[in-house]
Amino acid sequence: AQSVTQLDSHVSVSEGTPVLLRCNYSSSYSPSLFWYVQHPNKGLQLLLKYTSAATLVKGINGFEAEFKKSETSFHLTKPSAHMSDAAEYFCVVSPDNYGQNFVFGPGTRLSVLP
Amino acid sequence: EAGVAQSPRYKIIEKRQSVAFWCNPISGHATLYWYQQILGQGPKLLIQFQNNGVVDDSQLPKDRFSAERLKGVDSTLKIQPAKLEDSAVYLCASSLQQPPGQGIGTGELFFGEGSRLTVL
Repeated sequence: AQSVTQLDSHVSVSEGTPVLLRCNYSSSYSPSLFWYVQHPNKGLQLLLKYTSAATLVKGINGFEAEFKKSETSFHLTKPSAHMSDAAEYFCVVSPDNYGQNFVFGPGTRLSVLP
Repeated sequence: EAGVAQSPRYKIIEKRQSVAFWCNPISGHATLYWYQQILGQGPKLLIQFQNNGVVDDSQLPKDRFSAERLKGVDSTLKIQPAKLEDSAVYLCASSLQQPPGQGIGTGELFFGEGSRLTVL
């Protein structure tokens, strides 16, 4: 069975400072991993995905994530936060690339202070 | 290209009433998903369709929830009768996924903006 743990329910950073959103997963297979972002009253949008290619994955809006198999982690980072980054972020695991069993983490709410 | 369309965006009903949500996926997307997102939680899969067949409905409360995708395109999710705990955002998503052996999709889900249900 797969599961996703997002270690922080809420992260608050100042504008211009680095962002770190933590994600750990459990999967019986070599998983695909994703980060989605949800702005208020909007649908979820894909930020980036890992599908067994490069372990450092670059996404949209300056975000990137590193897959560390030994630590079963897929943490999301950004060097410098912008006010528009304030949103809910979800880490997602899927056992393969066929779209079966996408499992969402509980989410981390990112606040960006001026 | 047009995104995933959902309607209605908002619905308020009394408990024990019924409600239906509609979803039209991105053209050509074989797989369609309905998720339930309760406030403060991550989305939970209710049902997954591959074309017009059900792939996974293990978490669908079948005594009150039903869903169909008759022609393998748009889909309807129905709740009857509604309970207070059904208050949530119902998200529809689609993807290019094909069954194993028939080509690999992108692994990406495309979401609609959701239908927010309030049960009083």
